Amino acid sequence: EPEVTQTPSHQVTQMGQEVILRCVPISNHLYFYWYRQILGQKVEFLVSFYNNEISEKSEIFDDQFSVERPDGSNFTLKIRSTKLEDSAMYFCASSKGYEQYFGPGTRLTVT
Amino acid sequence: GENVEQHPSTLSVQEGDSAVIKCTYSDSASNYFPWYKQELGKGPQLIIDIRSNVGEKKDQRIAVTLNKTAKHFSLHITETQPEDSAVYFCAASIMGTYKYIFGTGTRLKVLA
Repeated sequence: EPEVTQTPSHQVTQMGQEVILRCVPISNHLYFYWYRQILGQKVEFLVSFYNNEISEKSEIFDDQFSVERPDGSNFTLKIRSTKLEDSAMYFCASSKGYEQYFGPGTRLTVT
Repeated sequence: GENVEQHPSTLSVQEGDSAVIKCTYSDSASNYFPWYKQELGKGPQLIIDIRSNVGEKKDQRIAVTLNKTAKHFSLHITETQPEDSAVYFCAASIMGTYKYIFGTGTRLKVLA
């Protein structure tokens, strides 16, 4: 069964550094998403992406964040200058329609 | 803004009993309601969903009900098993946006 994959599983970075989180969505899906989950809290929407552009973004997704689909298979989330409060689990998801399938997540720790 | 409330935050049941988790959404334009199961260290897994033109949907031991008037929807798990132990999240989405608003989660423990 096709799955969304994410790398790395855990990323530790220093405050102010740039990080890139990578995702490989399910191959025939057209819509791509990033969500985050701060430890013990609910999953929060960051951004949706369709047809090589952002469809919608939340208030969390400020100028420090960007997304890209650099080739036909990868979908990336870049955080330009990380802050302590960016520490969270970041989930990528993909869908053909409304049913979104989530990857296993990348745990980002900012020190 | 859009909000989804979920209750209870924790739920313990004996193996074989039923479990019910309830969610309330604020935006009456919401019309798609998925439920996710999240096991420790893993991503959310879609287990069942319901659209606003349907009042109830069942898949083996899992069922979801929707009351559009009250803006409530609920997850029902019957004959619970230890492997049902996980955190369950409800979500709501407005057709055309594809953005999910998640509830706060319910930690279900099934006691053997």
